[in-house]
Amino acid sequence: IQLTQSPSFLSASVGDRATITCRASQGISSYLAWYQQKPGKAPKLLIYTASTLQSGVPSRFSGSGSGTEFTLTISSLQPEDFATYYCQQFSIYPLTFGGGTKVEIK
Amino acid sequence: EVQLVESGGGLVQPGGSLRLSCAASGFTFSNYVMSWVRQAPGKGLEWVSAIRSSGVTTFYADSVKGRFSISRDNSKNTLFLQMNSLRADDTAVYYCAKESCGGDCYLYWGQGALVTVSS
Repeated sequence: IQLTQSPSFLSASVGDRATITCRASQGISSYLAWYQQKPGKAPKLLIYTASTLQSGVPSRFSGSGSGTEFTLTISSLQPEDFATYYCQQFSIYPLTFGGGTKVEIK
Repeated sequence: EVQLVESGGGLVQPGGSLRLSCAASGFTFSNYVMSWVRQAPGKGLEWVSAIRSSGVTTFYADSVKGRFSISRDNSKNTLFLQMNSLRADDTAVYYCAKESCGGDCYLYWGQGALVTVSS
């Protein structure tokens, strides 16, 4: 299953709303997770099963979608949110990641 | 506290072999699917391999199938990745990860081990 993220690069300002899309090449129900990664660090889980917020993750992060189209939304970007974001499907092996979306400060 | 600590990375020549280990603690290792994920320099995440709790069932990405072998020692709480016929494009940081969320996420990750394939 291929996951296509868009955009690959997003330039935004603090306080902006950011939306990242992940499209699957075939239906994966809600078996999708979202991660945030900062340089030199392991990825950090944000959301699983498409819309379940991991404990401790700020509520400005939200996920939606099912089947083949999914969205990660950051309602109001904070300075610590500038990072790279990845989606990952857990529907079927081999598991796959999207190509990533780098969110940078405008 | 869950801890995953990778070791065994380093520099290897093309065609060579390397074995990564991941020492796990803070949870009942034998109950969980464990996985390897890699990231080439400046590139995105790539899922590599997974092994079910008993160690009998394994899964691989097409890019490593036939060259890499995942295994585990539940008595020593350790995950392994045997990498053979290494190529330059296998150069990456290799992370071990523990499946969580009922099998629907990677909540816990190691710090990563750098593997460099170069002559």
